[in-house]
Amino acid sequence: EPEVTQTPSHQVTQMGQEVILRCVPISNHLYFYWYRQILGQKVEFLVSFYNNEISEKSEIFDDQFSVERPDGSNFTLKIRSTKLEDSAMYFCASSEPGQANTEAFFGQGTRLTVV
Amino acid sequence: QKEVEQDPGPLSVPEGAIVSLNCTYSNSAFQYFMWYRQYSRKGPELLMYTYSSGNKEDGRFTAQVDKSSKYISLFIRDSQPSDSATYLCAMSGDSGGYQKVTFGTGTKLQVIP
Repeated sequence: EPEVTQTPSHQVTQMGQEVILRCVPISNHLYFYWYRQILGQKVEFLVSFYNNEISEKSEIFDDQFSVERPDGSNFTLKIRSTKLEDSAMYFCASSEPGQANTEAFFGQGTRLTVV
Repeated sequence: QKEVEQDPGPLSVPEGAIVSLNCTYSNSAFQYFMWYRQYSRKGPELLMYTYSSGNKEDGRFTAQVDKSSKYISLFIRDSQPSDSATYLCAMSGDSGGYQKVTFGTGTKLQVIP
């Protein structure tokens, strides 16, 4: 069964460092998303991406965040200068044409710990 | 008032019980309503979604939406220990890919054998 793959599963970084979280969406999907979940809190939308550009972003997705689809398979989230409060589980999701966000498939997540 | 409210539980039920999970919301623009299941330290897994008001059934799961009351429910019949997980309601204003999805905080369910 096709799945969304995220790497690494756990990333520890020092405050102020840049991190790149990687995702391989399901191959025929065209909509891509990043969400985050701070421990014990709800899943929060960060950004959606379609046709090589950001479709929508939340207030959390400020200038320190960026997304990119560098090739035909990967979708990345970059955090330029990490803060302690960026520690969270980051989920990538994707959905196929016509289904969009109502049938998004989530990856297993990358746990980011900023120390 | 929070956009989406969900009782965090935990909710413990004996195996075979009918489980009722609920969310309320305040944003009348929401049109699509989803239920996700999330096992510990895993990503959310979509169970089902409904559009506007009404019911939808899929096996042991039934989703109900009452837009007039801004209230949605997920019923699980003949609950199994494998149903033990956190259940997240989620909503969006449109199915378009650019629309963000707003999640509830999740209800933790434990089904006791």
